[in-house]
Amino acid sequence: AQSVSQHNHHVILSEAASLELGCNYSYGGTVNLFWYVQYPGQHLQLLLKYFSGDPLVKGIKGFEAEFIKSKFSFNLRKPSVQWSDTAEYFCAVLRPSGGYNKLIFGAGTRLAVHP
Amino acid sequence: EPEVTQTPSHQVTQMGQEVILRCVPISNHLYFYWYRQILGQKVEFLVSFYNNEISEKSEIFDDQFSVERPDGSNFTLKIRSTKLEDSAMYFCASRPTSGGGETQYFGPGTRLLVL
Repeated sequence: AQSVSQHNHHVILSEAASLELGCNYSYGGTVNLFWYVQYPGQHLQLLLKYFSGDPLVKGIKGFEAEFIKSKFSFNLRKPSVQWSDTAEYFCAVLRPSGGYNKLIFGAGTRLAVHP
Repeated sequence: EPEVTQTPSHQVTQMGQEVILRCVPISNHLYFYWYRQILGQKVEFLVSFYNNEISEKSEIFDDQFSVERPDGSNFTLKIRSTKLEDSAMYFCASRPTSGGGETQYFGPGTRLLVL
């Protein structure tokens, strides 16, 4: 079955540290890839997405992610985190089929950034 | 910026009672979804809805669940006879038909607690 794995459940960083959150998926065909963020008490917001083209995608708030097809990975990065990046981060895969398209989520990574 | 809204934000109910969770998708969107997240677990797909009918549903979405678009704006999820294991955060999402149409936009969620 198609699945999405996020390697770290909890990450604790100090401000200005670099961030990399891992995401691997199991499906071998064409996929669309997403990172969503959920700030405390708020809804899921789209950080960035990959559909095709340049495998390095840039999102909001200084985040970027790199799609590496050979590794089935879509890791999220940020060179210098801020306290306001404290949130839960979800990787998700969507396999286009028939137009209806459900998202399959990873378990999420809870990031805490200390000032 | 248009947003998906959900009501109520929190609901507490007794086992066996019926609950209706309400969502107002973004106004020009035509695909609608419900997902849920049991505490500490992944966000899971429940059902997708298009053109006034269910287009796909997961194995979680059994006969106790139903969805409806009763008017031009609301999209509801009904659980007929709630069970303890239905306690979760329920997210509604919607997406447009074209122009970045694969991106699903999420509401803030309804936290359901079944006692």
